[in-house]
Amino acid sequence: DGGITQSPKYLFRKEGQNVTLSCEQNLNHDAMYWYRQDPGQGLRLIYYSQIVNDFQKGDIAEGYSVSREKKESFPLTVTSAQKNPTAFYLCASRLTFSGTTLYNEQFFGPGTRLTVL
Amino acid sequence: GDSVTQMEGPVTLSEEAFLTINCTYTATGYPSLFWYVQYPGEGLQLLLKATKADDKGSNKGFEATYRKETTSFHLEKGSVQVSDSAVYFCALLPPSGSARQLTFGSGTQLTVLP
Repeated sequence: DGGITQSPKYLFRKEGQNVTLSCEQNLNHDAMYWYRQDPGQGLRLIYYSQIVNDFQKGDIAEGYSVSREKKESFPLTVTSAQKNPTAFYLCASRLTFSGTTLYNEQFFGPGTRLTVL
Repeated sequence: GDSVTQMEGPVTLSEEAFLTINCTYTATGYPSLFWYVQYPGEGLQLLLKATKADDKGSNKGFEATYRKETTSFHLEKGSVQVSDSAVYFCALLPPSGSARQLTFGSGTQLTVLP
């Protein structure tokens, strides 16, 4: 089955530590995204990547870093510089074009809940 | 910039009641509009979409009509079920430009009681 996997589902981190969240997709999608969700709020874009080896900052990139070395993988590192990292993190992907058809839908993974102790 | 405003929740209904969740947007041109649903502890699933004015998106008994004149995309369902309990997000995608990122509303928590 095609889809997006995120691991781990739950992650605990001590203050001052960096931690990396995994996101893998086997949908052959071009674009990948990372969002942060806080209780009672909508999703905020952290980083996105439209092609391999290229990525752009979203609205709240400070304290986060990403890489896109492979089409199917887009890991997110939460660094110690992120002052309030406890949140639910969602990865998404989108097939941008197929032939002349533009695709708008983003598909989401199950999420990783990060808690800083 | 682009923005999406959803009615504040939480919304609590009895089974078989009629549901409306309001969504209005601010954007340039004709964005694409989406409703996503999030069940507890899970990621978001696309519920329905509309890409141009007067389009009606529908899925699983839910409907929403793209109203350009009122910049709205209200979600409706004629008879809700307990299994519809979830958080619903309205979102828009700009029509063009290099960014073309989704802008989400803050979400509306729906609880359906048996």
